[in-house]
Amino acid sequence: GAGVSQTPSNKVTEKGKYVELRCDPISGHTALYWYRQSLGQGPEFLIYFQGTGAADDSGLPNDRFFAVRPEGSVSTLKIQRTERGDSAVYLCASSLLGRAPQYFGPGTRLTVL
Amino acid sequence: DAKTTQPNSMESNEEEPVHLPCNHSTISGTDYIHWYRQLPSQGPEYVIHGLTSNVNNRMASLAIAEDRKSSTLILHRATLRDAAVYYCILRDPNFGNEKLTFGTGTRLTIIP
Repeated sequence: GAGVSQTPSNKVTEKGKYVELRCDPISGHTALYWYRQSLGQGPEFLIYFQGTGAADDSGLPNDRFFAVRPEGSVSTLKIQRTERGDSAVYLCASSLLGRAPQYFGPGTRLTVL
Repeated sequence: DAKTTQPNSMESNEEEPVHLPCNHSTISGTDYIHWYRQLPSQGPEYVIHGLTSNVNNRMASLAIAEDRKSSTLILHRATLRDAAVYYCILRDPNFGNEKLTFGTGTRLTIIP
């Protein structure tokens, strides 16, 4: 079956711009996660959705970052006033339940110039 | 979250078994041991998990020490496609903490 998909695969933007990153989870998975990964580091948790609601957003670095999942399926990570330090690979994962193994997408590489 | 310690890198010859160690001396009684791997330019991939008993699946085996302070991921016959960063992660299912906390993992190089 189809895995987790993320679009775009690459995004280049200028400092100060707004970006949206999209995640399509595996059909039927109720849990959805966002992580980001800097070069040479392991992925770092950002936010976790159970259904439509954000069950844990403790990893969001500041109020420029926001994520939604309005219908409990597709999720969008939104970054306002991007900074060069936001450059990273943003990974999305989904799982059948909150504590089941997570299935990751290929990521979106964000570059802020 | 309890911390895990892994070697930064390891090398293995193709078609040989590989033993990837993980130390987790502060593991709690309810922590499960999970392994994920990340191939180049891909997202992480679930490999295996266990609590106390050794576990086997089509990808690998997980050997857990009797005191649970360490574990070993075993790839029985490494191929070039097994070259990846391997992450050992502890998860407590009873705490409501669904997120994965990744360290820097072990970078496995397979020598043809």
